[in-house]
Amino acid sequence: SQQGEEDPQALSIQEGENATMNCSYKTSINNLQWYRQNSGRGLVHLILIRSNEREKHSGRLRVTLDTSKKSSSLLITASRAADTASYFCATDDYGSGAGSYQLTFGKGTKLSVIP
Amino acid sequence: EADIYQTPRYLVIGTGKKITLECSQTMGHDKMYWYQQDPGMELHLIHYSYGVNSTEKGDLSSESTVSRIRTEHFPLTLESARPSHTSQYLCASSENERGSYQPQHFGDGTRLSIL
Repeated sequence: SQQGEEDPQALSIQEGENATMNCSYKTSINNLQWYRQNSGRGLVHLILIRSNEREKHSGRLRVTLDTSKKSSSLLITASRAADTASYFCATDDYGSGAGSYQLTFGKGTKLSVIP
Repeated sequence: EADIYQTPRYLVIGTGKKITLECSQTMGHDKMYWYQQDPGMELHLIHYSYGVNSTEKGDLSSESTVSRIRTEHFPLTLESARPSHTSQYLCASSENERGSYQPQHFGDGTRLSIL
């Protein structure tokens, strides 16, 4: 199965700055999702972008998808201390039949927003 | 936040004990998943279920077993715990619509330590 790889592994910024995280994957997908995980908690779904979409917005989040490069980016604008968390991209397993509901997660980007 | 609950949140137990990690959701989702996540690392799918009496092993080999007798309940059992089982276990569920476009909703996890 394929795996998303986030870049950078860790990112530290000042409050108010923008944070950009990247995700690369290996094979065709139906959709790509971004999740946030606060320390010691489960994952929370942020945004889903389908393979036929190039850009999607949700509040301060902007996600892009380039299927020709097999990559996606997550931009958080005007970051806040509460945005401190790990961010994971997840891809589905396109064309795997019974496995198509499964997600494969990357290793995540650990974002620290300094007040 | 989604209505999916895991108990216990933390468990420290000796080698050789039988352990059951509980996961319940109140959303009526057919699809449920168990992931294993080491600190700061990616999630690995260990089991999944697409409905009552349906269970499958995920990509990561695991000595655990699962059952799905009721839609809302998806417990994970380790017959004889070992130190190598020390990890965080996350349960998730997703909606029933066809295709892989539905986000997964996560519980807060069980952090398991085997002495």
